[in-house]
Amino acid sequence: DAGVIQSPRHEVTEMGQEVTLRCKPISGHDYLFWYRQTMMRGLELLIYFNNNVPIDDSGMPEDRFSAKMPNASFSTLKIQPSEPRDSAVYFCASSRREGVTDTQYFGPGTRLTVL
Amino acid sequence: RKEVEQDPGPFNVPEGATVAFNCTYSNSASQSFFWYRQDCRKEPKLLMSVYSSGNEDGRFTAQLNRASQYISLLIRDSKLSDSATYLCVVPPGSNYKLTFGKGTLLTVNP
Repeated sequence: DAGVIQSPRHEVTEMGQEVTLRCKPISGHDYLFWYRQTMMRGLELLIYFNNNVPIDDSGMPEDRFSAKMPNASFSTLKIQPSEPRDSAVYFCASSRREGVTDTQYFGPGTRLTVL
Repeated sequence: RKEVEQDPGPFNVPEGATVAFNCTYSNSASQSFFWYRQDCRKEPKLLMSVYSSGNEDGRFTAQLNRASQYISLLIRDSKLSDSATYLCVVPPGSNYKLTFGKGTLLTVNP
């Protein structure tokens, strides 16, 4: 079975450029999560969707960040304009509700470097 | 108290050793807890779920103490392949907004 797919795996860009990260969740999963991981702050939830609808975006750092989920099999996280402090590993995860919470399956991540 | 706080580590242990990590949490409403494992430069993966007082899976035992609001992970007979970062995860109530601890790095040495 295919897991969560993310692209690109690595992205190096210059400050001020637009960056778009992509995610394909596991088929049948109705929750999708975007996380950011840095050494200083650990793993932070940015936003999550349920059935393609954003439920909680309180973790999105600022207006430069936006996320969309146009359909059940695709989501994007966009940073415009990018800044060096955005450098991190961005993970997408998906899950299917069984009870209160369910296992979240993470994609391999996108390692973003903003110069 | 921070939402989720873990032993800072790192832990360096020899093969065959028993090692334990602790994690404290602040939200008394949390009902279920998780330990995730993250290998170097890889994604986190679920190791164990803890819904009641504890859970055991082979060499791994997770225990929950609701009164003191901490969970622990015990690894017996450590293997080289257990070297990883272990993340304590707490859902704050009945939603999907998981809070991850910063992780404890374990290195098992030959």
